[in-house]
Formats: sequence, C-alpha cells, structure tokens
Amino acid sequence: AQTVTQSQPEMSVQEAETVTLSCTYDTSESDYYLFWYKQPPSRQMILVIRQEAYKQQNATENRFSVNFQKAAKSFSLKISDSQLGDAAMYFCAYRPKGANSKLTFGKGITLSVRP
Amino acid sequence: DAGVTQSPTHLIKTRGQHVTLRCSPISGHKSVSWYQQVLGQGPQFIFQYYEKEERGRGNFPDRFSARQFPNYSSELNVNALLLGDSALYLCASSFSMDAYNQPQHFGDGTRLSIL
Repeated sequence: AQTVTQSQPEMSVQEAETVTLSCTYDTSESDYYLFWYKQPPSRQMILVIRQEAYKQQNATENRFSVNFQKAAKSFSLKISDSQLGDAAMYFCAYRPKGANSKLTFGKGITLSVRP
Repeated sequence: DAGVTQSPTHLIKTRGQHVTLRCSPISGHKSVSWYQQVLGQGPQFIFQYYEKEERGRGNFPDRFSARQFPNYSSELNVNALLLGDSALYLCASSFSMDAYNQPQHFGDGTRLSIL
C-alpha cells in the first residue's frame, strides 16, 4: 500500500523568506504523480504544484518549486518570497498512474508566516 | 464557471441517524470523488464515481454509500452515524478518471458533527 509521510507538523517562516516543506512516500509503482495541496482556513483544497514521476525536471509554479528525488522517494516543496497569504495547511499527495484517480494524502503541515 | 459545490455547509446529527451529503461537480467534469478529513489529519479516500459507476472504494464500512446521477452530481450517504464520523467531507471532481493534466478540483466541504 502506498503511504505518504509528512513528519513536520508545523513550520514557521518570516515574510519574504524561503521555507521548505518535507514529504516522503512509499510505493512499489514506477510511474505515478505527486501533488502539493494548500488548505487555508476556508477549507478548500487548492492545488499548488504537481510532478510526474517520469519527468526528471523539477516542477516550478511561480514562487513554488519542488525537489523531487525519485530514488529517495522524497518530494519537498520550496516556497520562495513567503507571503502572509501562504499561511495554511499543506498536504503532500500521491496518485498512481492508472484508472483510479484516488489520492493518498499525508497528515499535513501547518505553515505560519510571520510579518 | 462555478467550482465544485457542496451542500450543506454544516450539519449536526446525533448517533444512529442517517445523513446525505451532496456535491455538484464543475461543469463538464464526469468524475466525482469523496474524501473524509478528520480534524488534524489529511483527507482519506472514500469513493470515486465515473459515468455513474463506482470506480473505487476506500477502506470504509458499508454504512457509507454513494451514487452519481445522470447530470454527474453525487450524493454520499452515511447510515447509523457514529461519533467517529464527525469530520469534514470533501468532494472533488475531474474531467476523467486518469488525467494528469486535469487534476481534481475540491469543494469547500461539508462539516459534519455527530452529538
């Protein structure tokens, strides 16, 4: 069974600084997708960034980028130039490439941004 | 275009009762998935429906059931409610079942409280 582990329950970053959120996963599949979702207090899960396992190049979306280490089964999220609006719960998620689009989520990490 | 809409927003029930939660996917989306998010945890997959057929089921008891209608909206039903069913129930839609470029979009959820 696939598992996703986010071992840091909370992190804090100064506004305009950079922070990295860690995620590891376990799977026997060779092709899959990885995602980072943001959940603000409004509750809606918002897709931040996604990575396909077969793509060696790390995904980047504006201030958000990932460090994908397939051999180590590691998928960390880097947020640059942190903004107050980045404060939220962040979830790492895994999905096998196949007919079932079931997402397996980690427990999440609470990110606070200090002004 | 409207996003994924869920109703009701909040719901309070007592043990043993039955509840029905509703979800309308984004227009054109044919796949609907349901997740349970217990406070402080990541979402857990309950069901996926595509073209009105169940395509995936998580590790939940038979008290949980769902269906998808011809207009692709969906209902999640929970019978014989237990205190442990208190959670945020999230609905997510996507255009198809397996589309990396069309990831799942989440609604704001229904907060279910069991007394």
